[in-house]
Amino acid sequence: GESVGLHLPTLSVQEGDNSIINCAYSNSASDYFIWYKQESGKGPQFIIDIRSNMDKRQGQRVTVLLNKTVKHLSLQIAATQPGDSAVYFCAETHSGNTPLVFGKGTRLSVIA
Amino acid sequence: NAGVMQNPRHLVRRRGQEARLRCSPMKGHSHVYWYRQLPEEGLKFMVYLQKENIIDESGMPKERFSAEFPKEGPSILRIQQVVRGDSAAYFCASSIAGVGTDTQYFGPGTRLTVL
Repeated sequence: GESVGLHLPTLSVQEGDNSIINCAYSNSASDYFIWYKQESGKGPQFIIDIRSNMDKRQGQRVTVLLNKTVKHLSLQIAATQPGDSAVYFCAETHSGNTPLVFGKGTRLSVIA
Repeated sequence: NAGVMQNPRHLVRRRGQEARLRCSPMKGHSHVYWYRQLPEEGLKFMVYLQKENIIDESGMPKERFSAEFPKEGPSILRIQQVVRGDSAAYFCASSIAGVGTDTQYFGPGTRLTVL
């Protein structure tokens, strides 16, 4: 789900299937990563975060994987539901007080 | 426990007017961040403030834009002499501790339309 040009890439999944949303981050010094979900007309909503001393973290139905070697982050959503339809952004920062840098987002569309 | 509050939710201004956007952080949060989002794009950092201090304004245009977070009251993002290119959604986030050490929680945003 990497950004191409000015249009958000879209991932379409069948309800009940698992979703995987990918993100390539830019700064090798980044050590804190967050996934946000943004529904139409709303602000970003925190989903899950991970620090660079981990390579996997699980939440409720969501898992974040971090591969520092290739600067890659992924969000896995189990048993995707219609309510998961939204734009998903990864964000990165460095604990030395640098601002959050957001990726361009992936639109997840769940087919009922 | 109320989340981050922003008002107004929608703001329409004519070119040359001033826009004032307000943000009240979550209770107990003393760090505020402002971001701008254009349609179909990610959020772009503008400014990071603590009470009465601007910590990082590297993402904010040098002219026409200013931000404050007074000791009492909400944080204000002010845009003077607005132009059509200022039309965007402006989001505020807050955290307990500073960037990189604590999660930022976002408000619902203010959608600015410049006619």
